[in-house]
Amino acid sequence: DIVMTQSPDSLAVSLGERATINCKSSQSILYSSNNKNYLAWYQQKPGQPPKLLIYWASTRESGVPARFSGSGSGTHFTLTISSLQAEDVAVYYCQQYYSTPYSFGQGTNLEIK
Amino acid sequence: QVQLVESGGGVVQPGRSLRLSCAASGFTFSDYAIHWVRQAPGKGPEWVAVISYDGTNKYYAESVKGRFTISRDNSKNTLYVQMNSLRPEDTAVYYCARGKAGATMSFDYWGQGTLVTVSS
Repeated sequence: DIVMTQSPDSLAVSLGERATINCKSSQSILYSSNNKNYLAWYQQKPGQPPKLLIYWASTRESGVPARFSGSGSGTHFTLTISSLQAEDVAVYYCQQYYSTPYSFGQGTNLEIK
Repeated sequence: QVQLVESGGGVVQPGRSLRLSCAASGFTFSDYAIHWVRQAPGKGPEWVAVISYDGTNKYYAESVKGRFTISRDNSKNTLYVQMNSLRPEDTAVYYCARGKAGATMSFDYWGQGTLVTVSS
């Protein structure tokens, strides 16, 4: 099974500043035949289901603000929020969909400093 | 608009069974793989099972294999999961989630979830 590990567990960032969340997979989730990384990022606010932000490691889902971006390849990935807004307070999860079981990271709790 | 609405949750004793349903609307249900994903209180999401658009392919997490059965009725736009031999560690909010077209094992729409509590 592929284990997803996020860092940090918790992060406090000032409004308007950059937030960076890291995600590491226990094995490569880059599929060589199509050169795609099978990684997604989700945002979850209290009492709500997760919301898809990014798929294929760097493709923004429709309607997601441009301040959210994803990068990385192979086993190391990053979610960046370029200018933190108050509504971005949430828990963020990475998820690999390279192979079953489709596993999530433990989550990163993002707060306002 | 895409909607997924789960039902069937509740409190059940260990060893008993429960069937959850997920009613879909706002999209062509029979075109999409659909997943069950659960989230225990205070924990991250855990993928449980997926069924292909036509019901022919099904995959399960090891933790539920042999106890849970995923199924769908495309004529009713409804997804199901039959959960048998329930354990306290199955306690969670159960979400149905649509597999994103072209990236089928990521989840682009989620229901609001239904809570299953396994306790004596």
